[in-house]
Amino acid sequence: EIVLTQSPGTLSLSPGERATLSCRASQSVSSSYLAWYQQKPGQAPRLLIYGAFSRATGIPDRFSGSGSGTDFTLTISRLEPEDFAVYYCQQYGSSPPITFGQGTRLEIK
Amino acid sequence: EVQLVESGGGLVQPGGSLRLSCSASGFTFSSYAMHWVRQAPGKGLEYVSAISSNGGSTYYADSVKGRFSISRDNSKNTLYLQMSSLRAEDTAVYYCVKVPLTGYSSGWYKDWGQGTLATVSS
Repeated sequence: EIVLTQSPGTLSLSPGERATLSCRASQSVSSSYLAWYQQKPGQAPRLLIYGAFSRATGIPDRFSGSGSGTDFTLTISRLEPEDFAVYYCQQYGSSPPITFGQGTRLEIK
Repeated sequence: EVQLVESGGGLVQPGGSLRLSCSASGFTFSSYAMHWVRQAPGKGLEYVSAISSNGGSTYYADSVKGRFSISRDNSKNTLYLQMSSLRAEDTAVYYCVKVPLTGYSSGWYKDWGQGTLATVSS
C-alpha cells in the first residue's frame, strides 16, 4: 500500500500570498494517479486536481498541481479568503486500494 | 446532475451491525464502480471499500476486511455497505462516491454524497 505524507501539517498565510502544499509518496505513483481535494467544515471534500495536474471542472486557475513519481505539489497562486480549508492528496492507481494523505490545514495568518 | 444520497447511519452499540445505503441518480448507475470513504470526527479521509459496476469484484481496506460487506442493486440504483462487529473506531461520516470513468474500478472522486454519520458507542 502506498503511504502519502503531506507537509506541512498546518500552513499559516495571508490572503494574496502564495501557498505551496507537498505530498510525498512511499513509492512511485503510477501514471500520476494523484488527486487533490479541498474540504471545509461540515462539507464533503471537493475535487480540485486529478492526474497530478488536471484541474477539475469549475476550479479557478489559481489552483495548480505538479509533480510525478513520489513528489507532488499543490500550488495556490494568490490566496482568496475562501481558500482557507483543509487539503488532502489521494493516490488512486488503476485499482483499489486508494490512499489519502493526512491533510494540510491552511489557516489565515 | 449526479446525486448521491446516503442513509442508514445512526447510533449502534459495539459489536452491533448497521447497513448504509446510497441512492444514486443523474447517471447510468450500472456503468460505474462505486466506493465508500469515511471520515472519523476531526480526522482525515479513509477509503473503506469499492465495488465494480456489475458487482462482480469487491475490495476492502484492511481495517474493515471480514467485518464489512459492499453490495449494489443496479435495478434500484442503490449501493450498500453492511457493517458488522462494529467498533468505536468505526465511528465516522460515511460517504458514497462515484468513480469517474466507466470500465475502471478506481479513480479520482468528483462526485460525493453528503455523508451519513455512524456512531458506535455504548
